[in-house]
Amino acid sequence: DAGVTQSPTHLIKTRGQQVTLRCSPKSGHDTVSWYQQALGQGPQFIFQYYEEEERQRGNFPDRFSGHQFPNYSSELNVNALLLGDSALYLCASSLGGASGYTFGSGTRLTVV
Amino acid sequence: AQSVAQPEDQVNVAEGNPLTVKCTYSVSGNPYLFWYVQYPNRGLQFLLKYITGDNLVKGSYGFEAEFNKSQTSFHLKKPSALVSDSALYFCAVRDVERGYQKVTFGTGTKLQVIP
Repeated sequence: DAGVTQSPTHLIKTRGQQVTLRCSPKSGHDTVSWYQQALGQGPQFIFQYYEEEERQRGNFPDRFSGHQFPNYSSELNVNALLLGDSALYLCASSLGGASGYTFGSGTRLTVV
Repeated sequence: AQSVAQPEDQVNVAEGNPLTVKCTYSVSGNPYLFWYVQYPNRGLQFLLKYITGDNLVKGSYGFEAEFNKSQTSFHLKKPSALVSDSALYFCAVRDVERGYQKVTFGTGTKLQVIP
């Protein structure tokens, strides 16, 4: 049973560019949450998708947007990249609110 | 707003000794509480959760955690530490009654088990 798959694993972008990160949830999971983890920090909640809708959003600017597809996979888009967007981006899937998350290995984004 | 605090940036323990990693939380209603472990350059792995019921929760790899409502704590414990337990540990909380969907993570505690 495959867990959460994220792509790409590493990415280098130039300031001002746009990036799209992808996530396939664990089989049977219907909810996808995205987190940003800066070096030496805990994961910070970006947003959560359920039934193709953004269900809740954290304190991130509108440059961060997302999408969930009918097969529950999800994308995270970041526009007008800043140096401060450099981080590990984690996708987590779950089934319902009481279950724990299953995390992917993350996408390491470096903005230069 | 929900929050979680991990007061220790690092915990050092000798192999074979018991370990404790501390966590306190703040929510308006009843919490769902979680512990995760992260190895270098990897995502987080689920260890255990408290939803309701018995205050002592047992999880993966011999870890357990005790929910204490009066002290709003959820400390992670293991009776005998292994060198392979060395990693970054995160406590997390979700406020159920406020209808929040998000899970909020602490800043993490680095556990170093010394051979």
